[in-house]
Amino acid sequence: DAGITQSPRYKITETGRQVTLMCHQTWSHSYMFWYRQDLGHGLRLIYYSAAADITDKGEVSDGYVVSRSKTENFPLTLESATRSQTSVYFCASSEMGGTQYFGPGTRLLVL
Amino acid sequence: AQSVTQPDIHITVSEGASLELRCNYSYGATPYLFWYVQSPGQGLQLLLKYFSGDTLVQGIKGFEAEFKRSQSSFNLRKPSVHWSDAAEYFCAYFDDYKLSFGAGTTVTVRA
Repeated sequence: DAGITQSPRYKITETGRQVTLMCHQTWSHSYMFWYRQDLGHGLRLIYYSAAADITDKGEVSDGYVVSRSKTENFPLTLESATRSQTSVYFCASSEMGGTQYFGPGTRLLVL
Repeated sequence: AQSVTQPDIHITVSEGASLELRCNYSYGATPYLFWYVQSPGQGLQLLLKYFSGDTLVQGIKGFEAEFKRSQSSFNLRKPSVHWSDAAEYFCAYFDDYKLSFGAGTTVTVRA
């Protein structure tokens, strides 16, 4: 019973490359979220999904793409990585209106 | 716009001393409020939440928080801190489907 997992945990990439961060949850929660954490900003929402095949933008969605073909998976893709996307990325899941449970995070460095 | 503010970026406290972390909210109706803790290199863990009812909320790890509508505050307290309480603490409010976070307060515990 892993709960919510993220992979990779650490990633170094170069500017312009495509990067995909994976998120998997075992609770069958309907909602899933991607946040980024930067010093002085707390966590900011990138994208969220209310169910399979339903996604919507958060406050910092530029440069990111998501998909959700299965309830348990919610990958986040950086189409062409930029240095400003160096951050720690957290995935979370919840039932509608319920407590959000967070994954351990992915530390991404864009050189 | 609705928001939460954490006025203290960093707090240092002695082991065994009391701790209070401030959170102010800006919200017209009764907000759903949360406190999360993030230990170094870890994801976020829910400490407690307030939806309605009793204004004093008990959480895990000996933490409590008090909702004060007159002061628009939801401060987190612990009577006696342990070295393991060194972490970053985030206040958040629930807005329809998502969480919006404050910038966080880093707590350092000195021996």
